[in-house]
Amino acid sequence: DGGITQSPKYLFRKEGQNVTLSCEQNLNHDAMYWYRQDPGQGLRLIYYSQIVNDFQKGDIAEGYSVSREKKESFPLTVTSAQKNPTAFYLCASSGLAHTGELFFGEGSRLTVL
Amino acid sequence: GQNIDQPTEMTATEGAIVQINCTYQTSGFNGLFWYQQHAGEAPTFLSYNVLDGLEEKGRFSSFLSRSKGYSYLLLKELQMKDSASYLCAPLDSNYQLIWGAGTKLIIKP
Repeated sequence: DGGITQSPKYLFRKEGQNVTLSCEQNLNHDAMYWYRQDPGQGLRLIYYSQIVNDFQKGDIAEGYSVSREKKESFPLTVTSAQKNPTAFYLCASSGLAHTGELFFGEGSRLTVL
Repeated sequence: GQNIDQPTEMTATEGAIVQINCTYQTSGFNGLFWYQQHAGEAPTFLSYNVLDGLEEKGRFSSFLSRSKGYSYLLLKELQMKDSASYLCAPLDSNYQLIWGAGTKLIIKP
């Protein structure tokens, strides 16, 4: 079945540690996105990529990094520079350019202890 | 600036109809999208409007008025499984979705 797989689903990390969230899709989509969701707030865009080996910062990129070496994969690293990393992280993809119809993974819930 | 306004929470009865309103201000506009998100899960796409008017999709319909910066999602014949948050998200001039905080819909038997 085609879809987007995020891992891990739950992750605990100590302050000062970097952590990488995995996002893999087999939908053959060109565009991939990372969002952060906090209680009572709308989704906020961290990074997005329209094509392999290219990505752009979203509204809240500070303290995060990404790579897009393969079409299928768009991992997100939450670095120790991110001041408030505890959140629900959502990866999404879209098969059409300039569209708002996104397909989401199940999400990764990161808690910093 | 960009702003999305939708009610925080609504309650409705199983079998009834509910309308969830959304007003928006964005830098440019390329359509308005509605998503459903069950608690602890990812959002799933419901519908979108690019032109003014009503789009019907089974029990769900969405309406858009671009001149008023207004949209609504209409849910008919409510079922318990419709208990979820509904996210309004216009697509701005850069083709990026601007997300509202969502309306939590509670369905009572």
